[in-house]
Amino acid sequence: NAGVTQTPKFQVLKTGQSMTLQCAQDMNHEYMSWYRQDPGMGLRLIHYSVGAGITDQGEVPNGYNVSRSTTEDFPLRLLSAAPSQTSVYFCASSKGQGRIAASRTQYFGPGTRLLVL
Amino acid sequence: AQTVTQSQPEMSVQEAETVTLSCTYDTSESDYYLFWYKQPPSRQMILVIRQEAYKQQNATENRFSVNFQKAAKSFSLKISDSQLGDAAMYFCAYANYGGSQGNLIFGKGTKLSVKP
Repeated sequence: NAGVTQTPKFQVLKTGQSMTLQCAQDMNHEYMSWYRQDPGMGLRLIHYSVGAGITDQGEVPNGYNVSRSTTEDFPLRLLSAAPSQTSVYFCASSKGQGRIAASRTQYFGPGTRLLVL
Repeated sequence: AQTVTQSQPEMSVQEAETVTLSCTYDTSESDYYLFWYKQPPSRQMILVIRQEAYKQQNATENRFSVNFQKAAKSFSLKISDSQLGDAAMYFCAYANYGGSQGNLIFGKGTKLSVKP
């Protein structure tokens, strides 16, 4: 049981490049989400999904796309990277939907550090 | 919109002593969850403790306990018998029952140092 895995661990991009941050979980969790962590800002929600085929925006969605074709995977796409997207990105998952998801422990991946030049 | 405030950017404690980290939040909801997460230098986010707003009893997990004051919208974390391994960033977080259930709203964090 690997939990939540994220790849890559570290990535350097040039402004305007695109890339996909991968997130996978093997716990059959319905709820998955992406957060970004910036110095002095805590973690902020980018996008989330309550199940395969269902995604929605969080607090800071601009510049990012997501899709959820399977229960296990929830990739985050940067369409045209900007220096403002330099951050550490965390994927998280939890069991259940709605009220159940709110009460359950969220399991976080190890994070992806992204540097946009 | 809900907000979470941690007013102490940094705290320090002597090994074996007790330290309390503060957290206040703002919400118009009556049912919600509150969490404390620990982030050591490895960056891995680890759940420390969880509190359901409808429960009056304060949650405890070994050396970690909370003081939940619902009317004051306060949710502090007490670490007893501090250990060197407790040194980390600590984040207070809030999750709603309604609306975007499961989504966490984080405070900006408190960096805890433990002196030997």
